[in-house]
Order: sequence, then C-alpha cells, then structure tokens
Amino acid sequence: QVQLVESGGDLVKPGGSLRLSCAASGFRFSDHFMTWIRQPPGKGLEWISYISSSGDIIYHADSVKDRFTISRDNDKKSLYLQMNSLRVEDTAVYYCANVAGSSIDYWGQGTLVTVSS
Amino acid sequence: DVVMTQSPLSLPVTLGQPASISCRSSQSLLHSDGNTYLSWFQQRPGQSPRRLIYKVSNRDSRVPDRFSGSGSGSDFTLKISRVEAEDVAVYYCMQGTHWPSLTFGGGTKVEIK
Repeated sequence: QVQLVESGGDLVKPGGSLRLSCAASGFRFSDHFMTWIRQPPGKGLEWISYISSSGDIIYHADSVKDRFTISRDNDKKSLYLQMNSLRVEDTAVYYCANVAGSSIDYWGQGTLVTVSS
Repeated sequence: DVVMTQSPLSLPVTLGQPASISCRSSQSLLHSDGNTYLSWFQQRPGQSPRRLIYKVSNRDSRVPDRFSGSGSGSDFTLKISRVEAEDVAVYYCMQGTHWPSLTFGGGTKVEIK
C-alpha cells in the first residue's frame, strides 16, 4: 500500500535551517508530482511547495519563496524540503503528499517543525 | 489568487441526522479541459487528512456512500446523509484548477450535539 513517511522535524531557533525528508513506497514515485503542505498548531492547511515528476518544474508559495527549496531523488524514492531563514510563523506540522489529477491522493503522517528561541 | 471560503466554521449535528458544508471559490473552478478540480478532505482528531471526494462528486474508494459532493462553477457542497460518531472531524475543500497554487478552505469542524 502507499506509504509516505516524513522525518527531520525538530526544534530550531529563528534564522536557523532544517531539512525535511519524505520516504515513499507502494506507488511509482517517479511518475508523480509531489507536494509539501503544512498545518500550524490548531489551524488549517497551507500548500507550500510542489515539484514535477522529473524535478524540472518547481513552485513555492509566496510565504516560503526564496527561503524553502523542494527537491527529489527518484532513485531513492524520496522528497525533500530544505528550509532556511526559519521564522516563528513557520512552526507547523509538515506533510508530504502526492499529487494526482490536480488533487492530493495520499498524505504522510507529518513531521513537526517548531521555530522558537 | 483563488480564495476558498467554507461555511459554517462549526457544525453541531445530532447522530443520524444530515450535515451539509458549503465551499465557495472566488473564481470559477471549471478548467479549460472541462474538469472541475474541487476536492474534499477529512481530518479526524490527531490524524493526517484523507481525501473523500475529488472532481466535485467522485467518491474515493473505502469512503462510505453517506458522503456526497455536488456543485459547479464556484459553489460546492459536501453532504453527509446520516452523521455517525466516526465522522467527527474537520473537513476541508481544496481547489486544484488554478495552478501553481493549491488552495484550501479554512475548514469546517463537525461535532456531535
């Protein structure tokens, strides 16, 4: 069955960096657009980044543009999110998800990023 | 950017009674390919979201048939025909028509009266 397992969440100080990973299994990873979505504690969902199946098309939401970078390694069936210049407002659970038919098929369990001094 | 507005924010429902959630978009979600990319997600307490409905009215496998989606253009509805205890959750609509953004509604919390 489809599994998406995020890792890398941690407590980090404002201005710091963190790299999230997402290990995929149970589907043809290299065929799918992938995305990161976040959810601040007690709040709603916010799409932040996606990447095409080959990695040649990338988009980031304005809220993270120039600070976050999405990437993937199809050989390792893994998705990544490099987060730099972290702010308190980036505190959230970060979900990895696959995109199919302009919708989201499956979600990971999420990894918590806390930005605090 | 497309704005997705859900109502109500909170929906207390008696077990066995119907529930209805509205989702409105600031622009039409009809894509030039003829499809309307409006999805609904359920997020139970402490869990990740899971998709219930895609392209307005297509139910995902293993989703009970008491859930149904309808609508067109910029006005959409998720209905639960008879609410059960396991339906307590926050429900989100999401548009996938206007790339590069995927936009979510603010969520509707369904709870039991």
